[in-house]
Amino acid sequence: KQEVTQIPAALSVPEGENLVLNCSFTDSAIYNLQWFRQDPGKGLTSLLLIQSSQREQTSGRLNASLDKSSGRSTLYIAASQPGDSATYLCAVRLNAGNMLTFGGGTRLMVKP
Amino acid sequence: DTAVSQTPKYLVTQMGNDKSIKCEQNLGHDTMYWYKQDSKKFLKIMFSYNNKELIINETVPNRFSPKSPDKAHLNLHINSLELGDSAVYFCASSRPGNSPLHFGNGTRLTVT
Repeated sequence: KQEVTQIPAALSVPEGENLVLNCSFTDSAIYNLQWFRQDPGKGLTSLLLIQSSQREQTSGRLNASLDKSSGRSTLYIAASQPGDSATYLCAVRLNAGNMLTFGGGTRLMVKP
Repeated sequence: DTAVSQTPKYLVTQMGNDKSIKCEQNLGHDTMYWYKQDSKKFLKIMFSYNNKELIINETVPNRFSPKSPDKAHLNLHINSLELGDSAVYFCASSRPGNSPLHFGNGTRLTVT
């Protein structure tokens, strides 16, 4: 059974810092991995999707890496801003028809 | 022009009642999902439908019955509501294969 863990559970940083969020998964035979952002009272917004054959994906100030063999992914946020404050969730998909298994999320607070 | 829309946004009801949550997506996706987010913010798959057919049914009580009248809609009907059903329910949709999931804004269900 796939288990996904995110560390830390919460993180508070001053504005402008670069930061890394961690995600680990127990079954390395994944189809893809997706990072989401969730704002309070809102749904999830897809940030980046990394296919199993890829090592990283970039979108603006966000960079996600994937190391399947070690069962790890990181989300790097450069030059953090208060607007980045949200909960960040990673989720893995085992095969094309299977559902996503989510981690518990990292609650990020960026202070002005 | 909301991509995945759920109604209602909030639902407060008493134990034993029957209620429904509606979901519609205008993205032309073939696959739709229901996820449950509990008080600890863990997201878990409940159901997955592909072209109106059920493909995943996780260990969900049979009081929960999804209905897909067409591939743009996936409604969730819940019978005999219990206190433990209180959670935020998210609808999502995706294309087959290596495509990101798109989530609705959630329905916060409170059973009293």
